[in-house]
This record gives sequence, C-alpha cells and structure tokens, in this order.
Amino acid sequence: EPEVTQTPSHQVTQMGQEVILRCVPISNHLYFYWYRQILGQKVEFLVSFYNNEISEKSEIFDDQFSVERPDGSNFTLKIRSTKLEDSAMYFCASSATGGLYETKSAFFGQGTRLTVV
Amino acid sequence: AQKVTQAQTEISVVEKEDVTLDCVYETRDTTYYLFWYKQPPSGELVFLIRRNSFDEQNEISGRYSWNFQKSTSSFNFTITASQVVDSAVYFCALSESPISSGSARQLTFGSGTQLTVLP
Repeated sequence: EPEVTQTPSHQVTQMGQEVILRCVPISNHLYFYWYRQILGQKVEFLVSFYNNEISEKSEIFDDQFSVERPDGSNFTLKIRSTKLEDSAMYFCASSATGGLYETKSAFFGQGTRLTVV
Repeated sequence: AQKVTQAQTEISVVEKEDVTLDCVYETRDTTYYLFWYKQPPSGELVFLIRRNSFDEQNEISGRYSWNFQKSTSSFNFTITASQVVDSAVYFCALSESPISSGSARQLTFGSGTQLTVLP
C-alpha cells in the first residue's frame, strides 16, 4: 500500500539552528499537510498546501516556519531558528483531494521527532 | 470554529472487556467529516475510520464499531473483546467541508484517550 514517508525519524538540533523536515507524499496526491504533536498533547494543524501555495495555516505557523515543494516528490517544512518549544513530533500527511470526495482520510507519515536542545 | 472533546483522558480495562471511547464535536458546518486515529506507543498515526455527516449509519469493522449520533454531536468508538495490542492513544478528529475543490481542510483533533488493556 502506498505510504507517506518522512525523514529523518529523529532529529536533534541546537536552539537557534535551522532544520528542514522532509516528506515524500503519496505520488498521486495533490494536498499536503504538516501537523505537530508536542509530547503528551493533541495533534495540532500547522499548514496545508495545494497547487504550490499554502491553502490554510494555523496561528502556530508563524514567520519561523515555511513549506516548500522543491521538486515533484518532496514536501519540506523548514523551521528557521528553532526554539526549545519547537520540540515535538511533526507529522506530514497527504490526500488525493481536499476532503470532499475522499473515501479515506489524509494519510499520515510515521513522523519526525524533533528535539531542540 | 470547530472543536473536538474527548473527556476520557485515560481508560484502563482488562483483556476481553468491551470499552467505549467518547467523542463530542462542535461545528457550524452542515457537511463535515469525523475520524478516529490510533496512535500506538511507536508514535505513528493509524487511520481507523472516516464518516460523513450525512451518513449516520453505524459501522462495524471486526471488533471495532462506531456510533454516530448527530442529535448529540457524538461519534463514539467501541472496542469489543479488547486485546493488549489495542493499548494506544486514540484520537477523534473533525474536518469541515472544503470551501472549494482547491482548498484543503484541516483536521481538528481531540486531546486523545489513552487506552490501556491489561492482560
């Protein structure tokens, strides 16, 4: 079964450093998402992306964050200058449509655990 | 604004017991989608089910069943004859209908219920 893959599975970075989290969505999907989950808390929406632009973003997704689809397969989340509170599990997801006609939900990757020290 | 409430933070049952996880949602949309995800200790999010707001038929899949009641804005999840492998955090989530075919609607998650099934 096709799946969303994320790399790396775990990244440790120093506060203030830039990090790029990478995702390969399912190949025929058009909508891409990033979510994050601070340890022990709920999963929170960050951003959705369609047709090479941001579709929606949450309050969490401030100027420190950016997303990009640099080529036909990758979808990246960049955090410009990491803070301790950015430590979380980051999930990438993709879906074939915006949700209206889907028979299944967005597919989630296995997550990247980001630890900022 | 949409909201999902999972009032049960933790539930502990003994293997083979039935257990129901509650989910109550709020939305102003008339068309929306409800989901359940399982998050095992390994951390990934495993899709379990998606329901449309216009389809109130309850669904059964093996030991899993879902009770969708629009009148009470609830979408409860029951595991019958629970097993140790069912131990996980379970999230209920809601997505409102896309504004257009070019927009992607976010999932709003509840805070999750930690289910522990004891042998």
